[in-house]
Amino acid sequence: GAVVSQHPSRVICKSGTSVKIECRSLDFQATTMFWYRQFPKQSLMLMATSNEGSKATYEQGVEKDKFLINHASLTLSTLTVTSAHPEDSSFYICSAVTGPARKGEQFFGPGTRLTVL
Amino acid sequence: GENVEQHPSTLSVQEGDSAVIKCTYSDSASNYFPWYKQELGKRPQLIIDIRSNVGEKKDQRIAVTLNKTAKHFSLHITETQPEDSAVYFCAAFYSGTYKYIFGTGTRLKVLA
Repeated sequence: GAVVSQHPSRVICKSGTSVKIECRSLDFQATTMFWYRQFPKQSLMLMATSNEGSKATYEQGVEKDKFLINHASLTLSTLTVTSAHPEDSSFYICSAVTGPARKGEQFFGPGTRLTVL
Repeated sequence: GENVEQHPSTLSVQEGDSAVIKCTYSDSASNYFPWYKQELGKRPQLIIDIRSNVGEKKDQRIAVTLNKTAKHFSLHITETQPEDSAVYFCAAFYSGTYKYIFGTGTRLKVLA
């Protein structure tokens, strides 16, 4: 149980294009989903917190107009990197949190490797 | 602010020896402290966690200790094996803002 999928696993795009990444909780309803970015040999940096039916909460320094988050249902959140540039190349990982029974525990997706040429 | 410091950044041990990684958090309201193991290009894997009402937790070769007063928590791996080689991250869950803050990571190398 508590499986999170992420799609695509790898994407290469040209500078200026937009890329959408999907994060799904497959066997549970996620009250909250988190989006992280991880540069090589660095830690996971929280980008935003996504709750179903409400606007995402972005961390300081993360541009909400560039990283669009849509949490359409309790099992799906999407991150769209708009007008991507080479500096956006990174490993993007989502995680989902279940309800009170396992309060606080997050389950990670497998990550998406984005390369912007 | 919300901050988690982690030390050391790299750690090399001989197979069979113990490894200890330490973290310090800033917000005394934090109440959940997971440890993750991450292999190259993979998602973080939860290896052990501890909640703020417990001082120590053990799972086979892995243990975590928590000192709430000092706001420290540590990961202990005994009888290390080459397959323990990976990057380890601590994290603190801030219940007030409902988010995780990760430590900077420790690259552990277990030498055969």
